[in-house]
Amino acid sequence: DAGVIQSPRHEVTEMGQEVTLRCKPISGHNSLFWYRQTMMRGLELLIYFNNNVPIDDSGMPEDRFSAKMPNASFSTLKIQPSEPRDSAVYFCASSQTDNYGYTFGSGTRLTVV
Amino acid sequence: AQSVAQPEDQVNVAEGNPLTVKCTYSVSGNPYLFWYVQYPNRGLQFLLKYITGDNLVKGSYGFEAEFNKSQTSFHLKKPSALVSDSALYFCAVRDAGGGFKTIFGAGTRLFVKA
Repeated sequence: DAGVIQSPRHEVTEMGQEVTLRCKPISGHNSLFWYRQTMMRGLELLIYFNNNVPIDDSGMPEDRFSAKMPNASFSTLKIQPSEPRDSAVYFCASSQTDNYGYTFGSGTRLTVV
Repeated sequence: AQSVAQPEDQVNVAEGNPLTVKCTYSVSGNPYLFWYVQYPNRGLQFLLKYITGDNLVKGSYGFEAEFNKSQTSFHLKKPSALVSDSALYFCAVRDAGGGFKTIFGAGTRLFVKA
């Protein structure tokens, strides 16, 4: 298995532009998580899905952020419009059951200028 | 609500010496506890977990952790540190009855000096 695959690895965009981050979880994992990592705030859970259904999106910072999981093998995190304070590393992770650890992707480093 | 505290921002250890990275947690129910390691420019990697059973759990790369319910702690340990263990370590907790939501600590940077 290739693990959790995220794309792109790096994204530089101008303030106000739309940004879409993509994630392919491990086949057979039924839960998917989006985290954001910054020096100031550490790892923050943004949203998670179970069986493609959003379960908890209380960590999504504001309406500019949205996430979808149209099927078991794909998820997107969209920021529209982007702002410089959104600059961070965004991680996707997937898990098989609730007593398993997560498998993380390599992350997308987002820079908004 | 769940929370995790890693009281040390950084731990410095000489190669060959034992290491301990501290973690305390708070959950309303029974805890599932995890340790992850992050190397530069990489995602987090799972090291070990405590779900139930023996309080001492063993994981990858010779690491182990001890669950202490009375002290609500889950400290990470290794008998003999390697320079290659230098990385950022995260403790994480999930409420066993609270679904999949896992909360991570702020991380502890481990430096192992040759």
